[in-house]
Amino acid sequence: KNQVEQSPQSLIILEGKNCTLQCNYTVSPFSNLRWYKQDTGRGPVSLTIMTFSENTKSNGRYTATLDADTKQSSLHITASQLSDSASYICVVSAGGGGFKTIFGAGTRLFVKA
Amino acid sequence: GAVVSQHPSWVICKSGTSVKIECRSLDFQATTMFWYRQFPKQSLMLMATSNEGSKATYEQGVEKDKFLINHASLTLSTLTVTSAHPEDSSFYICSARESSYLYEQYFGPGTRLTVT
Repeated sequence: KNQVEQSPQSLIILEGKNCTLQCNYTVSPFSNLRWYKQDTGRGPVSLTIMTFSENTKSNGRYTATLDADTKQSSLHITASQLSDSASYICVVSAGGGGFKTIFGAGTRLFVKA
Repeated sequence: GAVVSQHPSWVICKSGTSVKIECRSLDFQATTMFWYRQFPKQSLMLMATSNEGSKATYEQGVEKDKFLINHASLTLSTLTVTSAHPEDSSFYICSARESSYLYEQYFGPGTRLTVT
């Protein structure tokens, strides 16, 4: 069964600190993995997208890693800011064209001053 | 980057009435659009996938006669919630897939529907 599991469910960190969010998946055949940031009451915004051959992808203070062998991905946030408070969603697509998309439940991040 | 808009951003309607939500890709053509529903503190749930010019494909458990989807052009898809009930109150989000780049999905800002 295709599944995407994220951990932790929620996380509270102090402004300026780093954090890492985890995503484990059992999607097959793997096409691509995406991380999105969703502010409350808004639509998701793409942070990174990685295909099978990519191990890491950065977007500013966000760095995503992908281990296709262990089917794990992480999103590392450096020097967190109050505006980083949001839900972070891991999305994995399956199939040759990546048309089957499975959403993780998300990690709710709270950055406190 | 590619922009997807939704209108309205929020709507309040009475039980039994119908509500139409529009989703537009502003600077690209989208052969495929997706409609999601999101309840508080939960992740997005795919409702249906629509391809321009053809009937939408609904996910299991989603009533096609209640949630009417029309994808009449490469830049516009509409979701009509017919005979709305309070349990239809939710956050509805659309996304669009650019035909020339299959992987990326661009999400709209969402529409908050409240049925009283």
